Amino acid sequence: DVKVTQSSRYLVKRTGEKVFLECVQDMDHENMFWYRQDPGLGLRLIYFSYDVKMKEKGDIPEGYSVSREKKERFSLILESASTNQTSMYLCASVGGGSNQPQHFGDGTRLSIL
Amino acid sequence: DQQVKQNSPSLSVQEGRISILNCDYTNSMFDYFLWYKKYPAEGPTFLISISSIKDKNEDGRFTVFLNKSAKHLSLHIVPSQPGDSAVYFCAASETGSGSRLTFGEGTQLTVNP
Repeated sequence: DVKVTQSSRYLVKRTGEKVFLECVQDMDHENMFWYRQDPGLGLRLIYFSYDVKMKEKGDIPEGYSVSREKKERFSLILESASTNQTSMYLCASVGGGSNQPQHFGDGTRLSIL
Repeated sequence: DQQVKQNSPSLSVQEGRISILNCDYTNSMFDYFLWYKKYPAEGPTFLISISSIKDKNEDGRFTVFLNKSAKHLSLHIVPSQPGDSAVYFCAASETGSGSRLTFGEGTQLTVNP
């Protein structure tokens, strides 16, 4: 069974702080993704990565960056947190090849005060 | 622009009856479609998928129908159970996108005992 682990379930930070969200998968998947989920907006893609040290912008990358130094780990960074980044953040991974479902972690509920 | 749309934010059905969740898409390049189920405070879990070469896929109580000409898919749950109460997201991808998914806004299904 695929396991995607997000480091924190709940996190509270202050405006202007630099925030790190960590995600680890144990299935040697090439592809990893970061989404945010907001009511009425579904899941929106922030960044994704096809391989170590590679990253691609998703639909809403502004205010975020990512790091993928090892295949199993994909980090999302909020450079200077703002209140409009309060959200549920979800990490997912999937292997190479087409037509495979992504596997999700349990999410991090981030509140920026 | 919203390429995947779930027009019903909520749906309420009686236990034992059929639940039908709908999803429309605009991008004709999408060729793989998925449904995810999400409970509060958990990550989405993969439910069922369908490739564009098919028009129906069935897995137990869950059946997904795809109408390519109408760019419409639906998820049927028969019979519905109270444990099916969750938010359901449809998602779509196109071959060559590295399994990148575009999600709809989600539909909250409530199954009443």
